[in-house]
Amino acid sequence: DADVTQTPRNRITKTGKRIMLECSQTKGHDRMYWYRQDPGLGLRLIYYSFDVKDINKGEISDGYSVSRQAQAKFSLSLESAIPNQTALYFCATSDLGETQYFGPGTRLLVL
Amino acid sequence: AQSVTQLDSHVSVSEGTPVLLRCNYSSSYSPSLFWYVQHPNKGLQLLLKYTSAATLVKGINGFEAEFKKSETSFHLTKPSAHMSDAAEYFCVVSDIGTGFQKLVFGTGTRLLVSP
Repeated sequence: DADVTQTPRNRITKTGKRIMLECSQTKGHDRMYWYRQDPGLGLRLIYYSFDVKDINKGEISDGYSVSRQAQAKFSLSLESAIPNQTALYFCATSDLGETQYFGPGTRLLVL
Repeated sequence: AQSVTQLDSHVSVSEGTPVLLRCNYSSSYSPSLFWYVQHPNKGLQLLLKYTSAATLVKGINGFEAEFKKSETSFHLTKPSAHMSDAAEYFCVVSDIGTGFQKLVFGTGTRLLVSP
């Protein structure tokens, strides 16, 4: 949805490089999430944030870090990319309810 | 911990025939259940949501799902498939066991629709 945008949409990088994926939302939601999707595994939660001062690790946070620059912005960083971080990355937002709204995804290839 | 199992990785139907995508869940609490759809190169879109109200839930694009507690199932159906329904579908349960309403995703079912 246009309400949740992700940049870049596609990225190719090399092993060892630092890379940042950005997410912005115009829905006014406090809660934001980062997921990765691998074929046959569904989506897995990397990090989540309930507000600007609240950031929490998800089930697969190793090798990743995040920054919540503002209510509307939540960035995911790979400090030193490795090939098994090749995946499709999704940002999502929600209000106090359970429904999450997803961005279009960033396809990352680590060579 | 809560979990979902999508029983078919791929389902193939002909246009105009019924669609059935199967999902079983495991939950220690009264679950909230969702179906999301992902079209190629698109994000995930919410199809429908069950939150302990009516057991038959109607969603967008003619899809519906029925919550059956005795069978721990939440199967997704549509009476007549359209070519535009070809996509990947995810069954999702909301996990409040940790005090946080985390979404737990199934592994997905790819729906193929032939003319």
